[in-house]
Amino acid sequence: QVQLQESGPGLVKPSQTLSLTCTVSGGSVSSGPYYWSWIRQPAGKGLEWIGRIYTSGSTSYNPSLKSRVTISVDTSKNHFSLKLSSVTAADTAVYYCARYSDILTGFRNWGQGTLVTVSS
Amino acid sequence: QSVLTQPPSASGTPGQRATISCSGGSSNIGSNTVNWYQQLPGTAPKLLIYNNNQRPSGVPDRFSGSKSGTSASLAISGLQSEDEAEYYCAAWDDSLNGWVFGGGTKLTVL
Repeated sequence: QVQLQESGPGLVKPSQTLSLTCTVSGGSVSSGPYYWSWIRQPAGKGLEWIGRIYTSGSTSYNPSLKSRVTISVDTSKNHFSLKLSSVTAADTAVYYCARYSDILTGFRNWGQGTLVTVSS
Repeated sequence: QSVLTQPPSASGTPGQRATISCSGGSSNIGSNTVNWYQQLPGTAPKLLIYNNNQRPSGVPDRFSGSKSGTSASLAISGLQSEDEAEYYCAAWDDSLNGWVFGGGTKLTVL
């Protein structure tokens, strides 16, 4: 059973770049076809899809965040990453990585989530 | 403001049936299937229903989903205290070319 684990700094200063990594175990980021996604959840609020990278490397981002987001994959380390630039307090949230195979099946696999706080 | 609309809360007593609605539009629920997620406090969401009405292995048949037009519903029969959680609907949106979620419904078992 594939497992996902987020990692990265828990505190980021305003205007800087948030960087997170999702390490995949029990499976390969290059096997598929799978879509590897990032989703976030501000405290007490709902879920927001950030974007995804396909097994082939193609990406798709939430239009509301597109100008600030980059998702990439490193097959040698079996992980994929999120970079969100020019962060503000509004980007404070629990960030989840997740996987789905197609839009019918939904997100079957999730990481446990990691809290990122944007503050000086 | 979430793209999909859910009631903020729902409740029921043990053994009763509870339903949670999810309303969207032609570019999301109207064109694609709906998934439902259960989120227990302090944990990651868990896939509860996919493809409108399919349950992943291990999900009790007390949980069922349906879809009609641009709306969907999650029904939970035989409510148990362990069903207290936040429930989210989700669908792919063809206009946004991405996933959209409901704002979540907090289910309380009285």
